[in-house]
Amino acid sequence: GAGVSQSPSNKVTEKGKDVELRCDPISGHTALYWYRQSLGQGLEFLIYFQGNSAPDKSGLPSDRFSAERTGGSVSTLTIQRTQQEDSAVYLCASTKRLAGIYEQYFGPGTRLTVT
Amino acid sequence: AQKITQTQPGMFVQEKEAVTLDCTYDTSDPSYGLFWYKQPSSGEMIFLIYQGSYDQQNATEGRYSLNFQKARKSANLVISASQLGDSAMYFCAMREGTGNQFYFGTGTSLTVIP
Repeated sequence: GAGVSQSPSNKVTEKGKDVELRCDPISGHTALYWYRQSLGQGLEFLIYFQGNSAPDKSGLPSDRFSAERTGGSVSTLTIQRTQQEDSAVYLCASTKRLAGIYEQYFGPGTRLTVT
Repeated sequence: AQKITQTQPGMFVQEKEAVTLDCTYDTSDPSYGLFWYKQPSSGEMIFLIYQGSYDQQNATEGRYSLNFQKARKSANLVISASQLGDSAMYFCAMREGTGNQFYFGTGTSLTVIP
């Protein structure tokens, strides 16, 4: 389909290991967001990419978190030395501006469990 | 201060009845957009409706309408003729005109009772 895809859908890792989460946005969408959703909570903004501009990293919780977007398309969120509090669902959204509205299209998320 | 506040952690509504989910927001930016999303148990976030700060009319989208009261900084979602498939988490969100972030509330869990 033409929607946002994320991989893996589930990831279980041991504390201290590094993980990479991938997001494939909708083709042609220039903006991409990463969010974290802890159990029973709302979405926490992590990072925002817009075209070739420098990303807005203001939401990253620590320097263990980083993200990149290659070629203005696929994005990878990397968490180094994972901690148990990193366990959450990580959602990616690609965004287009249509008639003045920034409409976000979300992927299905990656459920990360740190044991 | 919280940018988005949703004070109803859980709501119940009888099938075919209308329900209002509350959302208040806090911003000093005169330009902003307000969004509602639905998150079923399957986990995907589904965009429902949008209201711009300069829009004169309340937004409507099928059975969804947004009761926008600018002076009170509220943007309540009204779902008419509730259906069993409406049972889900509902999130209110805001994007300020000067920023990149979308701010989300903590959500309201809606259960539609047959």
